[in-house]
Amino acid sequence: QTVVTQEPSLTVSPGGTVTLTCASSAGAVTSGHYPNWFQQKPGQAPRALIYTTSNKHSWTPARFSGSLLGDKAALTLSGVQPEDEAEYYCLLFYGGAQLWVFGGGTKLTVL
Amino acid sequence: EVQLVESGGGLVQPGGSLRLSCAASGFTFSSYWMYWVRQAPGKGLGWVSRINSDESITTYADSVKGRFTISRDNAKNTLYLQMNSLRAEDTAVYYCARAKDYAIDPWGQGTLVTVSS
Repeated sequence: QTVVTQEPSLTVSPGGTVTLTCASSAGAVTSGHYPNWFQQKPGQAPRALIYTTSNKHSWTPARFSGSLLGDKAALTLSGVQPEDEAEYYCLLFYGGAQLWVFGGGTKLTVL
Repeated sequence: EVQLVESGGGLVQPGGSLRLSCAASGFTFSSYWMYWVRQAPGKGLGWVSRINSDESITTYADSVKGRFTISRDNAKNTLYLQMNSLRAEDTAVYYCARAKDYAIDPWGQGTLVTVSS
């Protein structure tokens, strides 16, 4: 069973920069995993931020960016705002098994 | 406005069955892959299943394979998830979501399924 790992929690100061990562137990994360990133606030449904590694949706704030960093997928927030405090999930596609796997989520605290 | 509305959740006993529905509006439903994702209380997200536009491809997470069946009715703009042999660990909010070109959005607001005696 493939496991996707994220940092359980991170803390960042307002205006700061933070990078969240997403690793696969099956090896390096590549563009072929079509990494997606989602934001979820308490009591709300998840909201998509990034798809296929680095593409933003029309509503994604410019301060969010996606990339591959070493052997992981990464979500970077630059100029963090208080409203960015949320849980963030990555999602990877495994083409061989034709299934998707979510990471465990990163709880981002803005303090 | 693109909208997805789930329904059909509720309380069911272990071993029981339930069918969830997801009503789609505001887009050409028959052109999109559709997904089910779930979230146990206080836990993270878990991908459940997906179906392509003409139902020729369906895939499932190992945890639900053989018990859950995804389907769709393009004439009714509705996605379904038939859940059989339900277990306590299936207790979760179930979300449907639209997908195209590996971008998954939007999501519905979810429907709660509780498996308990």
